[in-house]
Amino acid sequence: DAGITQSPRHKVTETGTPVTLRCHQTENHRYMYWYRQDPGHGLRLIHYSYGVKDTDKGEVSDGYSVSRSKTEDFLLTLESATSSQTSVYFCAISELGTAGNTIYFGEGSWLTVV
Amino acid sequence: SQQGEEDPQALSIQEGENATMNCSYKTSINNLQWYRQNSGRGLVHLILIRSNEREKHSGRLRVTLDTSKKSSSLLITASRAADTASYFCFSSSNTGNQFYFGTGTSLTVIP
Repeated sequence: DAGITQSPRHKVTETGTPVTLRCHQTENHRYMYWYRQDPGHGLRLIHYSYGVKDTDKGEVSDGYSVSRSKTEDFLLTLESATSSQTSVYFCAISELGTAGNTIYFGEGSWLTVV
Repeated sequence: SQQGEEDPQALSIQEGENATMNCSYKTSINNLQWYRQNSGRGLVHLILIRSNEREKHSGRLRVTLDTSKKSSSLLITASRAADTASYFCFSSSNTGNQFYFGTGTSLTVIP
């Protein structure tokens, strides 16, 4: 299994509070991704990173920000959590991006916003 | 979007039967990959087929690719209850760094 650790694995938070999810990898892969998974929507890309301090938006980036100050860590922040952000969040990594490469997923972080 | 779209959305079969699921994509691809997700877990890579390949096998998995129809199929032979999961395809082009996935096929294998 690829060395990907997500924390926390489960969190309940109140509307309006900030939340940070952490993804830590031990594979030294260049690319890191944050997805959310919701019933009926499948996996949707929030943000991704193609290097330290290099990030870009995915298809559902509103309300989220990311940071990558080290190769191994990719943080996802919800500045002011809303109930619509209740979801399962998956971190993923890839060595060289999409062309000919596989993507490895973490075990997920369950976030409930009440 | 490079998003793959899986079909059917849900499939229920008896143990021992074969399961076939399909994937369609929109643009020219470099390769196509299939992933599996067990309930409550992350996706796991199953198999990759390149655009110049038409068929590939891995254990009980058989993947076909038809680039003229922009489609792929995943066949799981002699299914087991442990094969119960959701299956996703991903089509990769020569450019871009973003992995997009469809909503998947939910497979239930009844013991």
